[in-house]
Amino acid sequence: GAVVSQHPSRVICKSGTSVKIECRSLDFQATTMFWYRQFPKQSLMLMATSNEGSKATYEQGVEKDKFLINHASLTLSTLTVTSAHPEDSSFYICSARVTQLAGGPQELFFGEGSRLTVL
Amino acid sequence: QKEVEQNSGPLSVPEGAIASLNCTYSDRGSQSFFWYRQYSGKSPELIMFIYSNGDKEDGRFTAQLNKASQYVSLLIRDSQPSDSATYLCAVKVIKAAGNKLTFGGGTRVLVKP
Repeated sequence: GAVVSQHPSRVICKSGTSVKIECRSLDFQATTMFWYRQFPKQSLMLMATSNEGSKATYEQGVEKDKFLINHASLTLSTLTVTSAHPEDSSFYICSARVTQLAGGPQELFFGEGSRLTVL
Repeated sequence: QKEVEQNSGPLSVPEGAIASLNCTYSDRGSQSFFWYRQYSGKSPELIMFIYSNGDKEDGRFTAQLNKASQYVSLLIRDSQPSDSATYLCAVKVIKAAGNKLTFGGGTRVLVKP
């Protein structure tokens, strides 16, 4: 299947600093990528849809100035958590949509996830 | 009402038995349905998708969809300890603003040897 690579897998930072997470599609071009956040024992919550060459579309309640998304190329999207606070500690997962079958549903392939801990 | 609902479990299943997972959704416009498996600390991986009423089988997994009743289920036959994970149901709705997947809370499955 398609491969989505995410980096870093773990990051620990001090409160008030910014953290950048990269998401790459390794063997396909992804015009659209998605960023999810998952708190312990909870499901994935979509934060934003990242569109190559245009502004990201944020879900209700997600601060666009705090979670900066850049999708400058067809294989790379980045999420920057600005001025991180302990409540931002979570598992951040990116995904890309791939159409496996003509006319079929588009599958989501996930990156490995990035566990952010803000001290 | 949550858009996608799953029993959180844990669902305890003896090795070799059938694990049955259910998922209900609220939006009748939902068109595609996915089951993902997520091991602890890892990201989800796709097991199956289904978009037509009825059953779809892939190896030990069978997905069942009933759009009239708005539920989708996953059966795991001959359950193995390696099947112990959280299973996420995801539903895609096509809207004017774009498509997106909405995930259920997941069902934790424990397969006991």
